[in-house]
Amino acid sequence: DQQVKQNSPSLSVQEGRISILNCDYTNSMFDYFLWYKKYPAEGPTFLISISSIKDKNEDGRFTVFLNKSAKHLSLHIVPSQPGDSAVYFCAGRRGDKIIFGKGTRLHILP
Amino acid sequence: ETGVTQSPTHLIKTRGQQVTLRCSSQSGHNTVSWYQQALGQGPQFIFQYYREEENGRGNFPPRFSGLQFPNYSSELNVNALELDDSALYLCASSLPGTGSSFFGQGTRLTVV
Repeated sequence: DQQVKQNSPSLSVQEGRISILNCDYTNSMFDYFLWYKKYPAEGPTFLISISSIKDKNEDGRFTVFLNKSAKHLSLHIVPSQPGDSAVYFCAGRRGDKIIFGKGTRLHILP
Repeated sequence: ETGVTQSPTHLIKTRGQQVTLRCSSQSGHNTVSWYQQALGQGPQFIFQYYREEENGRGNFPPRFSGLQFPNYSSELNVNALELDDSALYLCASSLPGTGSSFFGQGTRLTVV
């Protein structure tokens, strides 16, 4: 049972444009949703989180939107930069247990 | 730099052997979780320790076991290694009630 789903394995975006990474979930008990970024040979790096009682959280170039009725969240990166090329994991947190999606590989094109 | 360090970074073991992986948590973090990340997958929760006691477990067999020490460092032990245990093993530390966990760089285990 995949509680967190990232249906796009990869995404290519032109440098300077907006990157939108999508995520769906099935477990209504998550209290936080998190986005992590991962480079090869490194552990996931925390990017941004959103409480389940919020619908938007913004931190610099990163904004996460949560639509609880649709059980959907998205990460917006604007403007996209070459260093943003990585695998992005969406995750739901219940207590201290984190359930990850399979990830979306983001390619920023010059 | 998350302050979470794992050792070793790479390891090759033979099927049937036992392995111990180590993790030093970020200062002040009393909760540590271990994850297994197979190729092409997201990290899968193995178990969590809070104040030296197991505080939750994912869908992994008993041959996966752990320890947390008074200084909040932690070990993951895997007995009777199988080829499918080959993966990146990640340790994450956190403070209860906060919105994030911080990961180490992982240990790449290869079972041959």
